[in-house]
Amino acid sequence: SQTIHQWPATLVQPVGSPLSLECTVEGTSNPNLYWYRQAAGRGLQLLFYSVGIGQISSEVPQNLSASRPQDRQFILSSKKLLLSDSGFYLCAWSVRLAGGRADTQYFGPGTRLTVL
Amino acid sequence: EDQVTQSPEALRLQEGESSSLNCSYTVSGLRGLFWYRQDPGKGPEFLFTLYSAGEEKEKERLKATLTKKESFLHITAPKPEDSATYLCAVHAMNRDDKIIFGKGTRLHILP
Repeated sequence: SQTIHQWPATLVQPVGSPLSLECTVEGTSNPNLYWYRQAAGRGLQLLFYSVGIGQISSEVPQNLSASRPQDRQFILSSKKLLLSDSGFYLCAWSVRLAGGRADTQYFGPGTRLTVL
Repeated sequence: EDQVTQSPEALRLQEGESSSLNCSYTVSGLRGLFWYRQDPGKGPEFLFTLYSAGEEKEKERLKATLTKKESFLHITAPKPEDSATYLCAVHAMNRDDKIIFGKGTRLHILP
């Protein structure tokens, strides 16, 4: 069966510090991978998605970046955190189905980031 | 513009009191509609995928239905452990691999 891991689970960082969040998926090959941010009272905001190694699409071009160095590894980074980067970060994966059917996304446990 | 709207924002029910959550959507073409359950501090847990109008799926006390404009998540005789936020999401034809989420309905079941 497939599993998805995220770490760390919680993180408290000062403004201006760098960020690296990691997500790995087990039990599947060539998944689509996604980074979301969930702020209190708001829905899930898609930040980045990737359909393959080195292929990253950005939905929110701010001070965050993403990389996919390996097939089942997805990393979210920042060089300098802002207060507004605080939130709950979720990684998700899906398998592309044939015939244009919808790809169910499966979520990891999340990382709670607090920027002070 | 593609949109997903969930109602109500919050719902409090007595244990055993059945009800329905609504997810209405406006998209150019529907590939699929998803329901998730999210507990506080955790990632969303997948419940159902519905692909076409008229489709229904069930899991324990939950039943999801789909029309051309909306989906309902029916909760029959709920228990306190059904308390959670329920999220609806839509995969539209013109959105490649991206799905649009509603803001969710916070459900609280009182014992």
